[in-house]
Amino acid sequence: DQQVKQNSPSLSVQEGRISILNCDYTNSMFDYFLWYKKYPAEGPTFLISISSIKDKNEDGRFTVFLNKSAKHLSLHIVPSQPGDSAVYFCAASAFGSGTYKYIFGTGTRLKVLA
Amino acid sequence: DSGVTQTPKHLITATGQRVTLRCSPRSGDLSVYWYQQSLDQGLQFLIQYYNGEERAKGNILERFSAQQFPDLHSELNLSSLELGDSALYFCASSGDWTSGGLQETQYFGPGTRLLVL
Repeated sequence: DQQVKQNSPSLSVQEGRISILNCDYTNSMFDYFLWYKKYPAEGPTFLISISSIKDKNEDGRFTVFLNKSAKHLSLHIVPSQPGDSAVYFCAASAFGSGTYKYIFGTGTRLKVLA
Repeated sequence: DSGVTQTPKHLITATGQRVTLRCSPRSGDLSVYWYQQSLDQGLQFLIQYYNGEERAKGNILERFSAQQFPDLHSELNLSSLELGDSALYFCASSGDWTSGGLQETQYFGPGTRLLVL
């Protein structure tokens, strides 16, 4: 059972426009959410996170929105740049059995067109 | 550069063989996590070590094992390899969240690409 879902395997956006990547989760115990960016042949790079006590967190061009009632989070990239082309993973975390455990989505491949 | 290092970068081996993947966490990080990423799949959590002790297990096969040494580096041992074990294996590390109760972000290494022929 996929507890964290990224239903769009890919997304293409024009340079300068907004990119919106979506993520849905099923477990209401998740209390910390993260977005990672992954380039080919590299490990995932931490991008931005949000705690469940917030509904928005912003860092430069990147903003993460959390809608707890809908169990949905989204990553907005404005303006999108060609260097943003990568695979984006969302992850959700909950504390259990003495540790925090991350559950990752399957990723969305973003292509920003110049 | 995340500060997490993994060796080797690539590994090609045959079915039935055994390999060891190595991870050095960021300086000061006590937790090490191992993940497997198969083709078109998300990152599947395998196992976590905290300060030398196993802390959590995920979808880790019995043919796989790991350990964390006193210097905090970790090794993932994969034995009796099968074709389906071909994947990217990532290591991540995080700091000591136990004291403050504040969750620590995991930082990932570049991964080891394993190909089983």
